[in-house]
Amino acid sequence: GAGVSQSPSNKVTEKGKDVELRCDPISGHTALYWYRQSLGQGLEFLIYFQGNSAPDKSGLPSDRFSAERTGGSVSTLTIQRTQQEDSAVYLCASSWDRGSYEQYFGPGTRLTVT
Amino acid sequence: GNSVTQMEGPVTLSEEAFLTINCTYTATGYPSLFWYVQYPGEGLQLLLKATKADDKGSNKGFEATYRKETTSFHLEKGSVQVSDSAVYFCALSESDTDKLIFGTGTRLQVFP
Repeated sequence: GAGVSQSPSNKVTEKGKDVELRCDPISGHTALYWYRQSLGQGLEFLIYFQGNSAPDKSGLPSDRFSAERTGGSVSTLTIQRTQQEDSAVYLCASSWDRGSYEQYFGPGTRLTVT
Repeated sequence: GNSVTQMEGPVTLSEEAFLTINCTYTATGYPSLFWYVQYPGEGLQLLLKATKADDKGSNKGFEATYRKETTSFHLEKGSVQVSDSAVYFCALSESDTDKLIFGTGTRLQVFP
């Protein structure tokens, strides 16, 4: 079946602009995660959704970052007033439920802030 | 807080050599442990996992044993191939949310 998909695959934006990154999880997966992969920080957790609620937002680096999930499916990560340090690959993962442990990762969105 | 430490790379080996990539962790409670692999140009894939002490995860000739006494989860393979060239990430899963805490990754380069 279809895996986790993310769009766009690449995004170049100017400093100060807002961006939206989209994640389509595997159908039926209730848990959804956002991570960020950057040269300086490695792979770091951003936010976790169970259904449409986000019980763990502890990894969001600032209040410029927000995310939502609707219909227990698609999720959008929004970065407002982008800064150069936001440049990274943003990864989305989903799993059947919490406790199932295996997370399936999407290909990522490479964000470059100029 | 919870953390994962893994050996820095790159690790450079000849084909058929023995591979060890060290991974140690710090955690409260009893996390699950994972190795993920990222092949060039591809996304992260689960390689193997272990959910409790003394469990051995294995896949594609790779193995790792969950050692609670040494808080380690070292990755091993008896005979590497060129196709194993990739970046390997050790990770733990926090029990309340299942979010993954990753190590910094170790690049493996295998030459014929």
